[in-house]
Amino acid sequence: SYELTQPPSVSVSPGQTASITCSGDKLGDKHACWYQQKPGQSPVLVIYQHSKRPSGIPERFSGSNSGNTATLTISGTQTMDEADYYCQAWDSSTGRRVFGGGTKLTVL
Amino acid sequence: QVQLQESGPGLVKPSQTLSLTCTVSGGSISSGEYYWSWIRQPPGKGLEWIGYIYYSGSTYYNPSLKSRVTISVDTSKNQFSLKLSSVTAADTAVYYCARDSPWIAARLGFYYGMDVWGQGTTVTVSS
Repeated sequence: SYELTQPPSVSVSPGQTASITCSGDKLGDKHACWYQQKPGQSPVLVIYQHSKRPSGIPERFSGSNSGNTATLTISGTQTMDEADYYCQAWDSSTGRRVFGGGTKLTVL
Repeated sequence: QVQLQESGPGLVKPSQTLSLTCTVSGGSISSGEYYWSWIRQPPGKGLEWIGYIYYSGSTYYNPSLKSRVTISVDTSKNQFSLKLSSVTAADTAVYYCARDSPWIAARLGFYYGMDVWGQGTTVTVSS
């Protein structure tokens, strides 16, 4: 089965840049998305197709892809960005969706 | 503004069937524009995609759950539903429904993610 690997936790100081990685076989072919989930809330799509931002998502959120690794970058991280972040891949050959295990971002 | 709302029993006994419904408002499932997915999240754990349905009734399920899952659609009520059979305590989770990527994107080889989510409903499996 296809798996996506994320670090369990990442810490960043306010105003600094946070990077969260997501690794999977040929992930570059699978149109990675990223979701933000705050405690007690539903996930929110923040990046799709590796690097595109939905309407209403701040410009400080960006995404990139390099082969087997997708990266979510938050520039000028704010305390409000503290949340769990999940990557998700789409297999175009089967239609299957897969989520990574999630990364807890701490801003302190 | 499309909104999704999950509904169904919050408590299910082991070995029984979990049944949930997602009601879509502000948009029409029968437009055929989007796929519609179910996702779940066990307490303190990550997200797990369960499966999707298209307005026509075509479905695709997570292979790990395929033997127990049925997703159906009722376009007249603008709803889609989830049935999960033979539940155990491991199926205790918050269950979300979501609007998934546009159908045309998939035909063109793209994927736009799940951009609208319901608030989630907690289902506990316990006797």
